[in-house]
Amino acid sequence: QVQLQESGPGLVKPSGTLSLTCAVSGVSIRSSNWWSWVRQAPGKGLEWIGEIYHSGTTNYNPSLTSRVGIGVDKSNNQFSLNLRSVTAADTAVYYCVRVNFLVTDYSSAGYYAMDVWGQGTTVTVSS
Amino acid sequence: DIQMTQSPSSLSASVGDRVTITCRASKSIGIYLNWYQQKPGKAPKLLIYGASTLQSGVPSRFTGSGSGTDFTLTIASLQPEDFASYYCQESSHTPRLFTFGPGTKVDIK
Repeated sequence: QVQLQESGPGLVKPSGTLSLTCAVSGVSIRSSNWWSWVRQAPGKGLEWIGEIYHSGTTNYNPSLTSRVGIGVDKSNNQFSLNLRSVTAADTAVYYCVRVNFLVTDYSSAGYYAMDVWGQGTTVTVSS
Repeated sequence: DIQMTQSPSSLSASVGDRVTITCRASKSIGIYLNWYQQKPGKAPKLLIYGASTLQSGVPSRFTGSGSGTDFTLTIASLQPEDFASYYCQESSHTPRLFTFGPGTKVDIK
C-alpha cells in the first residue's frame, strides 16, 4: 500500500529555513498524482502549503508563496519542503500528502482529494 | 479567494445520535468539496470526495450532500470511533488552491 513518511529537524531557529523530506513508498512519484504539504499549528485547523507534480510543476498557498519551495527527487522517490524566514507562527505538525484524482461511481467526473497522509512531523520554531 | 465556514464549531452527542455538520463556501464551488476526519494525534483521513462519494472503506453511516455553496456531512448513527474533528475542503480553484474549513469537533455528551 502507499505510504508516506516525513523526516527532518524537529527544531528550527527563528529566521532560519525549515526543511522536510517525504519518502514515498508503494507507488512511483512519477505516477499521475500530485504531492502536497499540509500543516496544523497546535490546537488549530489544517492549512494547505502547496503541491508538486513529478514534472516539477508547483502550486502554492498565496499566503506562503514568497517563502515556500517544494521540490521532487524522482531518483529517490521523495519530495521536499523548504520554508524560509520562519517564525514561531510556523510551529506546527507538518504532513506530506498524496493528492489523487478520484472518480465517482455515477459519472466519469473526477475530483482531487488528499487520500494518503503521512503520520506528520512536529516542527518547533524556537531559539 | 474562497472562504470556507463550518457550523457548529463543536458539538456534543451520544452514541447512536444522528449528527449533521454544515460547510459553506463564500462562492459556488459546484461539488468540489471533500470531507476529512481527524482523531487526536493522528493524520486526517479522507471520508468523502466530490461532495457525496464515499471513499473506499468508509462506513455507509457517513453521507455527504450539497452543491454550490452549502454542504452537509451526516453521520446516521454515531459510533464511539466517530468522536473526532471533521474538516471540509474545497478544491475548485484553477490553478489548484485547497482551502479547509475551520473544523467541527464532535465529542461525547
